[in-house]
Amino acid sequence: RKEVEQDPGPFNVPEGATVAFNCTYSNSASQSFFWYRQDCRKEPKLLMSVYSSGNEDGRFTAQLNRASQYISLLIRDSKLSDSATYLCVVLDSWGKLQFGAGTQVVVTP
Amino acid sequence: GAVVSQHPSWVICKSGTSVKIECRSLDFQATTMFWYRQFPKQSLMLMATSNEGSKATYEQGVEKDKFLINHASLTLSTLTVTSAHPEDSSFYICSARAPRKEGGEQYFGPGTRLTVT
Repeated sequence: RKEVEQDPGPFNVPEGATVAFNCTYSNSASQSFFWYRQDCRKEPKLLMSVYSSGNEDGRFTAQLNRASQYISLLIRDSKLSDSATYLCVVLDSWGKLQFGAGTQVVVTP
Repeated sequence: GAVVSQHPSWVICKSGTSVKIECRSLDFQATTMFWYRQFPKQSLMLMATSNEGSKATYEQGVEKDKFLINHASLTLSTLTVTSAHPEDSSFYICSARAPRKEGGEQYFGPGTRLTVT
């Protein structure tokens, strides 16, 4: 079983709409949680950390549900530039980052 | 934010040859660097953890004699793919962890795309 699982998508989203997706993680001892963004053929870049109480960064909102072991990301007022693959990343108890395979989001005009 | 560079950004080599990839942290000293590999439409897979001045720690299933890692200084780690085969063709990404007193965040290099013919 993979440590971090994500719906690969693609999620096709009209510009201006809202899109949300989750990921699940298997290790209940996981320490920290992140969403990264990866553009085609590029390295992943940190989008935001995910805190237990949920947090917002502009149009992006992240939620963590430790009981059910899932993390969510919501993007409001989608822009064309939001088209990317979003990686769910978990810091495990060994201090290593575990990556999901990513959820592809395609924002269409 | 902090910058991590990788060189080369892409390389094509013939089967059986060796390829060296460099990873540098440009504005901080990284005692720990990580090497990942990513196949198309798959997640980044950690290959090894590289600690300055000591031997790298390899993940299960990664051949240490094939993927040689050297972390000679606090700003440089190298990955050498020895006797490369077409199945080694992949996107290799390094990351460097900033010191705890500077936040301890992991910064990623831009990646190296290796194609073995």
